[in-house]
Amino acid sequence: QVQLQESGPGLVKPSETLSLTCVVSGGSISSSNWWSWVRQSPGKGLEWIGEVYHSGSTNYNPSLESRVTILIDNSNNQFSLILSSVTAADTAVYFCTRDRLTIFGAVSSFDIWGHGTMVTVSS
Amino acid sequence: DIQMTQSPSSLSASVGDRVTITCRASQGISTYLAWFQQKPGKAPKSLIYAASSLQSGVPSKFSGSGSGTDFSLTISSLQPEDFATYYCQQYHSYPPTFGGGTKVEIK
Repeated sequence: QVQLQESGPGLVKPSETLSLTCVVSGGSISSSNWWSWVRQSPGKGLEWIGEVYHSGSTNYNPSLESRVTILIDNSNNQFSLILSSVTAADTAVYFCTRDRLTIFGAVSSFDIWGHGTMVTVSS
Repeated sequence: DIQMTQSPSSLSASVGDRVTITCRASQGISTYLAWFQQKPGKAPKSLIYAASSLQSGVPSKFSGSGSGTDFSLTISSLQPEDFATYYCQQYHSYPPTFGGGTKVEIK
């Protein structure tokens, strides 16, 4: 069965760039699913960050779009999140997820989640 | 963005109780509604999608209903492993958004 595993630094300094990777195992990232990042902080609850398709197509949350890039690496079955100019408000647990199969271009829900990785923004 | 409002934000219940959680969308979302269960320190787990479709492997004590703006999640007979926080999520429009959660605690 498909499993997701996040990795990346647990501490990032303010104004720097946060980079996380999600490795997909038990299935191909080049399937018909989209792949998302979702974060959870005490202050803002669960927040969808954005998603990527195996073609490299992306959709981002407008609230973060100016600072977010999501990339896909089909050869290594992984995708990544890059969030620039971080502040304390970006402190959260970051989850990678698989979007449930739906019509291409339609919004979806999330059927498989990684365990999550805690990222703290602090000097 | 579509706002999702859950009620109550928390509730206390006993083992064996029937529990219902509600979720209201700020605009109509048809049946593009999912429910998740989250336990402390764990990732959310999918329970229900399309408002009433049970995720594979999820016990039938969980059921969902509703369409348009008003939805509910019911647990028919609460068991110790069901004490958790439950979230609704709309996927009618970008960006997908979540409710604030309902924490189900032991009475």
